[in-house]
Amino acid sequence: NAGVTQTPKFQVLKTGQSMTLQCAQDMNHEYMSWYRQDPGMGLRLIHYSVGAGITDQGEVPNGYNVSRSTTEDFPLRLLSAAPSQTSVYFCASQGAKDTEAFFGQGTRLTVV
Amino acid sequence: QQQVKQSPQSLIVQKGGISIINCAYENTAFDYFPWYQQFPGKGPALLIAIRPDVSEKKEGRFTISFNKSAKQFSLHIMDSQPGDSATYFCAARSSNTGKLIFGQGTTLQVKP
Repeated sequence: NAGVTQTPKFQVLKTGQSMTLQCAQDMNHEYMSWYRQDPGMGLRLIHYSVGAGITDQGEVPNGYNVSRSTTEDFPLRLLSAAPSQTSVYFCASQGAKDTEAFFGQGTRLTVV
Repeated sequence: QQQVKQSPQSLIVQKGGISIINCAYENTAFDYFPWYQQFPGKGPALLIAIRPDVSEKKEGRFTISFNKSAKQFSLHIMDSQPGDSATYFCAARSSNTGKLIFGQGTTLQVKP
């Protein structure tokens, strides 16, 4: 039972490069989210999805795109990486609005 | 703006002591208040949660106190142990969207 799987675990990008952070869950959860974690800032919601084909913005969506073509996958795309996007990124899934959120192990991204 | 404010940012407690972390929220549309625990290199994991229709919830050494009129809630860790050393996040969930908004986090160190 894998739960929430994020890949890669570590990534270094040059400014202006693009990449996709992958997130997959095997719990058939409808709700999925992306957060970034920065020192002193806690976990800030980037994008959110309540089901396949439905996404919504969170607190800090600028510079990030998402799509949800299947229930299992919720990739996060950086189209043109900036040093300000250096952070640890967490994906989470929930079975319903009022249930526990399960987090992946995180992706540590450095933009130079 | 930060809708959930958490304090203190860091906390050092002696083994056997009581650890207290406080959170305050601004949005009255929140309907679920979980606390998450995060160890280094890991994703956050649910510790304990409360709904606004109760004033206190206890699970083992962990207690949430909730004050709806003051829009505040707190985590109390009794008989703190070195194994409790971690980062703790409070969160609040929107009753409309299900989005989880997190506080800034508290790094707890329990000295043996």
